[in-house]
Amino acid sequence: EVQLVQSGAEVKKPGESLKISCKGSGHIFTNYWIGWVRQMPGKGLEWMGIIYPGDSDTRYTPSFQGQVTISADKSISTAYLQWSSLKASDTAMYYCARLESYYAGSGLYSYAFTIWGQGTMVTVSS
Amino acid sequence: EIVLTQSPGTLSLSPGERATLSCRASQSVASRSLAWYQQKPGQAPRLLIYGASSRATGIPDRFSGSGSGTDFTLTISRLEPEDFAVYHCQQYGSSRGTFGQGTKVEIK
Repeated sequence: EVQLVQSGAEVKKPGESLKISCKGSGHIFTNYWIGWVRQMPGKGLEWMGIIYPGDSDTRYTPSFQGQVTISADKSISTAYLQWSSLKASDTAMYYCARLESYYAGSGLYSYAFTIWGQGTMVTVSS
Repeated sequence: EIVLTQSPGTLSLSPGERATLSCRASQSVASRSLAWYQQKPGQAPRLLIYGASSRATGIPDRFSGSGSGTDFTLTISRLEPEDFAVYHCQQYGSSRGTFGQGTKVEIK
């Protein structure tokens, strides 16, 4: 079974660092982009960025660039999301998901997140 | 960055009724790279539709997607009790993706 399993919930204080993980199984991890998605309490989904574990090529949404670091260790099929100094506003559920491409004709492709992790709740509070 | 605006914010309907959800993009979405997801409380999102109109594996045929360019629609032909949830649209192009703010389909 293809799945992404995320690390457990975290409770941190402002200013602390954190690294959460997303481990893939049942598929060739290096063949797909892995994305991170934020969902603040009661809010919608936000695309943070994606990484290609095969070569660690990373693309950030501008609003998250410099705020978080996305990385991957292909040897253990795991992607990471990390913060160097957490803020209360980082309190949210964080999902990883596998980005899959579909041929749309005329040499073009469409993309969607087909497999999702169960989510990691991060709470930042003094 | 392409901004996706979903409407309405909340849709109040009864089981058996038809639901029509809209997703409008601020710029044309390339290669119809528009997807729809369903999210229930306490769960991760689930892919329903990709490529604007193709159903994902295991998705019932009461769910259908349509549209191109800047206007997209998700239709649920006859609402089942398990369909009451939040629906998100998402686009991807030029290595960037964005989501809409979501539409909640609630029981009237």
